[in-house]
Amino acid sequence: NAGVMQNPRHLVRRRGQEARLRCSPMKGHSHVYWYRQLPEEGLKFMVYLQKENIIDESGMPKERFSAEFPKEGPSILRIQQVVRGDSAAYFCASSAKTGLEQFFGPGTRLTVL
Amino acid sequence: QQQVKQSPQSLIVQKGGISIINCAYENTAFDYFPWYQQFPGKGPALLIAIRPDVSEKKEGRFTISFNKSAKQFSLHIMDSQPGDSATYFCAASIYSGGSNYKLTFGKGTLLTVNP
Repeated sequence: NAGVMQNPRHLVRRRGQEARLRCSPMKGHSHVYWYRQLPEEGLKFMVYLQKENIIDESGMPKERFSAEFPKEGPSILRIQQVVRGDSAAYFCASSAKTGLEQFFGPGTRLTVL
Repeated sequence: QQQVKQSPQSLIVQKGGISIINCAYENTAFDYFPWYQQFPGKGPALLIAIRPDVSEKKEGRFTISFNKSAKQFSLHIMDSQPGDSATYFCAASIYSGGSNYKLTFGKGTLLTVNP
């Protein structure tokens, strides 16, 4: 009974490169949420997706960030032209339905040099 | 604007003692208050949660106390054990509304329980 899987666990990028973070939800879950945790901060909501649909992206920065959850495959959080301020832990969570408990993955630690 | 304020930032407790972590919120529309436990290198895991229709909820050694008028809630860990050493996050969301999935987290409390 695999939980939420995220990869890579650690990602190092230089300024200006692209970062792709992947999230495979728990089996049977079709709702995915992305959160960002900056150093010394709590997790902050970024985006909520269902299969092939973005439901709420109110927490996403307007530029350089995008997310998708295709019909097949994992959810992807994409950060273009990364800057040092993007360095953070990015957590994915999934649920079976909206409003039910969110199960979190182990996170991807992104470091931008 | 920090909607959920958590304190203390860190806490050291002796084995067998009581650990108390406090949170205060600003948005009166919040009506779901979960606590998450996070071990190093892991994602947060739901520990216990409360709705504002009750003032207290207990699950084993973990108790949430809720004060709606003060807009505060707290986590009590009785008989704290070294295995409880972790970071604890309080959170809040609008359960009854259309955005009940959007958890707002506090900054976290690093709990260390000494043997």
